[in-house]
Amino acid sequence: GENVEQHPSTLSVQEGDSAVIKCTYSDSASNYFPWYKQELGKRPQLIIDIRSNVGEKKDQRIAVTLNKTAKHFSLHITETQPEDSAVYFCAASKTGGTSYGKLTFGQGTILTVHP
Amino acid sequence: DVKVTQSSRYLVKRTGEKVFLECVQDMDHENMFWYRQDPGLGLRLIYFSYDVKMKEKGDIPEGYSVSREKKERFSLILESASTNQTSMYLCASSLGAGGSYEQYFGPGTRLTVT
Repeated sequence: GENVEQHPSTLSVQEGDSAVIKCTYSDSASNYFPWYKQELGKRPQLIIDIRSNVGEKKDQRIAVTLNKTAKHFSLHITETQPEDSAVYFCAASKTGGTSYGKLTFGQGTILTVHP
Repeated sequence: DVKVTQSSRYLVKRTGEKVFLECVQDMDHENMFWYRQDPGLGLRLIYFSYDVKMKEKGDIPEGYSVSREKKERFSLILESASTNQTSMYLCASSLGAGGSYEQYFGPGTRLTVT
C-alpha cells in the first residue's frame, strides 16, 4: 500500500519568514495530494490540494509543488503569521475506480510561528 | 456548509468494555472514514465505507469493527476495549465518485481506556 513520509516533525519560524514542509510517497499511481491544517483542539481542514497533472498550485500565501518523478511534494507558506501555527498533514490518494478517495496521511508537522 | 458530528468529545471506558463511537454527516456524502490520531503517527485509517452496508478495512482495523446502516451514519465499534486503543478518534466524510475528494472531519472523540 501507499506510504507517506513527512518532514520535519516540528518547525519553528519567526513571523514573516517562510516555512517549507516536505512529503514523499511510495505509490507511483497516487495522483491526488491534499494538505490539511489542524489548529490546536480543532478538526483538520483542507487548505490546498494538487493533482498529478499540475506541477504547482498557489493560493495567496500558500503554495504546493509536486515532483512526480521523485515522488515528493511540498507545502510552502510565505510571510508566516502567528495564526499559521498549527499541525500540518500531507496526504496522498488515488482517485477514481475503487479508491473511494482513501487518503494515506503523513505523520504531521507542528509549525510554530513566533511573533 | 458540511457538518460532521460525533457522539462524544470525551469518553472514558474500562478494559474489556464494548465501545460505540457514532458519526453523522448531513451532506449526503457517499464516503465515510474512521481514523485514529496519535502524536507522531499522523492520522491512520481504521475503516471506511463507500455506501450503505459497504465497508472496507483501512490500515489498522484490528480490534475494531464498523456499521453503516444509514447513509448519514457511520459507527465505530471496539468489541473489547484495550488500553492501547486510548487515542483520539476522528470521523470524516467525502462526496464520492465523480465529486470532490475533500474530506470533512468531525470534532473528534478522545477515548481513554483504563
